[in-house]
Amino acid sequence: RKEVEQDPGPFNVPEGATVAFNCTYSNSASQSFFWYRQDCRKEPKLLMSVYSSGNEDGRFTAQLNRASQYISLLIRDSKLSDSATYLCVVNMGANRGSTLGRLYFGRGTQLTVWP
Amino acid sequence: GAGVSQSPRYKVTKRGQDVALRCDPISGHVSLYWYRQALGQGPEFLTYFNYEAQQDKSGLPNDRFSAERPEGSISTLTIQRTEQRDSAMYRCASSLWLAGSNEQFFGPGTRLTVL
Repeated sequence: RKEVEQDPGPFNVPEGATVAFNCTYSNSASQSFFWYRQDCRKEPKLLMSVYSSGNEDGRFTAQLNRASQYISLLIRDSKLSDSATYLCVVNMGANRGSTLGRLYFGRGTQLTVWP
Repeated sequence: GAGVSQSPRYKVTKRGQDVALRCDPISGHVSLYWYRQALGQGPEFLTYFNYEAQQDKSGLPNDRFSAERPEGSISTLTIQRTEQRDSAMYRCASSLWLAGSNEQFFGPGTRLTVL
């Protein structure tokens, strides 16, 4: 089983739509959680960290459910420029064979926003 | 300021040859990470350094892969006796210091093709 599981999509939504992505992680001792964005043929870039209480950054809202080992990303009022692959990322800290600096990436969820 | 740079951007080699991939992190960043990314997948951890010390090399696929960062800045990932299955995008990232919660900044990657 992979450490981070994501539905690869693709998700195709019209401009202005609300879309949600989910991912699950396998290690209950995981410590840090992120969403990275990767545009086609580009490098991944941090979109936002995910905090236990949930957090919002403009049109983006991230939620963490530690009991279910589940992370979500909600995008409201989708823009054409939101088209990208969204990577769910987990850091497990220094436990269960992992190390502090090691990040585990999901395979990514592809989003296309159409006009 | 300058981001993470990698060279070469593209490398085509014949099976059995050795290749060296270079990463120049953001100036002042203590931690440096190597990943491999296959098409349609998220980055897969290979190894990372804190200053010049290699902290975790458990992600290196086999002993043909090695990495060094002798002066705590530029890093080289070397693949000996390349095989076709080594073909992938190799990405380097750096972060200001070593902490699971820190943002990692990725370089543009080196696309390796082994014929």
